[in-house]
This record gives sequence, structure tokens and C-alpha cells, in this order.
Amino acid sequence: NAGVTQTPKFQVLKTGQSMTLQCAQDMNHNSMYWYRQDPGMGLRLIYYSASEGTTDKGEVPNGYNVSRLNKREFSLRLESAAPSQTSVYFCASSEWAGPYNSPLHFGNGTRLTVT
Amino acid sequence: RKEVEQDPGPFNVPEGATVAFNCTYSNSASQSFFWYRQDCRKEPKLLMSVYSSGNEDGRFTAQLNRASQYISLLIRDSKLSDSATYLCVVNGRDDKIIFGKGTRLHILP
Repeated sequence: NAGVTQTPKFQVLKTGQSMTLQCAQDMNHNSMYWYRQDPGMGLRLIYYSASEGTTDKGEVPNGYNVSRLNKREFSLRLESAAPSQTSVYFCASSEWAGPYNSPLHFGNGTRLTVT
Repeated sequence: RKEVEQDPGPFNVPEGATVAFNCTYSNSASQSFFWYRQDCRKEPKLLMSVYSSGNEDGRFTAQLNRASQYISLLIRDSKLSDSATYLCVVNGRDDKIIFGKGTRLHILP
């Protein structure tokens, strides 16, 4: 079972370059999320999609855009990368979102370095 | 007050001992609570959900105290393989899932 698959695993960008992080889940989950994790900061929510066709900002959305391409796929785009976006990015999915959230299942992460 | 707070540790505990972590949350309307485990440079993995009446899974026991707004995790008979960072997870305002910064646990042989 693949679960949540993220690509790429590693990426190095120069300041100002753009890129898209891909995420796909095969668990038929309704909700998908993008987090970043920095030392001492914990996991911070960038954007999420409660259901296909909807996206909402999380705690740290500036500098990012997302697309919920279909139920399976949720991509994160950096239009003009900055060194402050150096981080580990995790995609996650859950059966549903709401007051009684179901648990999140994570991908393996993407380690991004912006020089 | 931060939405989710945890003692960062590290907790250095001898193998076989019992260790407990607490996590406080600020949103009194929160309904979903989880403990995750994260190994170094890996993704977080669900350890257990936390139910109102408390729940147990082998050596792990989770408790919820709504009055004081905290959840706890108890690990009995700790193993070397329990060394990890333990993340408290709560749904915050607007039902967004919020992660604590984690508590690092080192089990000593």
C-alpha cells in the first residue's frame, strides 16, 4: 500500500526559482494538507483542502499556492523561492476534516534547500 | 496562550521505566486529540487517538482532561525503540489540526 506519496524527496533551488511539490494519496481520503517543519518550530500548516474543490489557508500560507487537482492529488507551488522557505515539507491526508477530525497520514517528506 | 503546548524535553529515561508527557491546549471546543511519534528525519506516524474516557494500546495509555484542557501519554516498561519525538495533536480554531512542537524522549540502556 503506497498511502501518501510525495515527490521529489530532495530539491535544491536558487532564490527566485519556482517549483511544484507533488502529493498523491491512494486511500480515497477527502482531506489533504501541506505542512512545513523547521527546527524548533514544529509542524506548521501551510494550506489544506477539506474536500475536492476547496482549499484554505493555514498558519503560514505566504509565498505558496496550492491546487487540489482531483481527489487524489494536492500540489504545493513555490512561485519565487526564498531562503526562508528552506524546510522539510510534508503532505498528509485524512478521511475527513471538521470538529471530529480523523487522523492524518503523512508522506515521507520533501527536503527543500533554497540558496 | 499557544494553541498546543508541550514540554520539549529531552526526557532521558532508563529502559524499563515509566514515563509520562502532558500537553495543554487552549481551545476549549477542541474535539479531536491524537498522539504522534516522529523518528529523526522521518514523517510523523499516528501512535494513538485520545478518547474522552481514556484509552490504552499495549504499553501506551492516553488520557484526556477536558476541565484542565490537557492530554497525557503514559509509556510503561519503556524500550530503546521508544526513543523518538512525541507530538501532541489537537484540532484548534476553525477545526484546523494543530501540532505541538514535540517532546523528545531518549531511552537509556
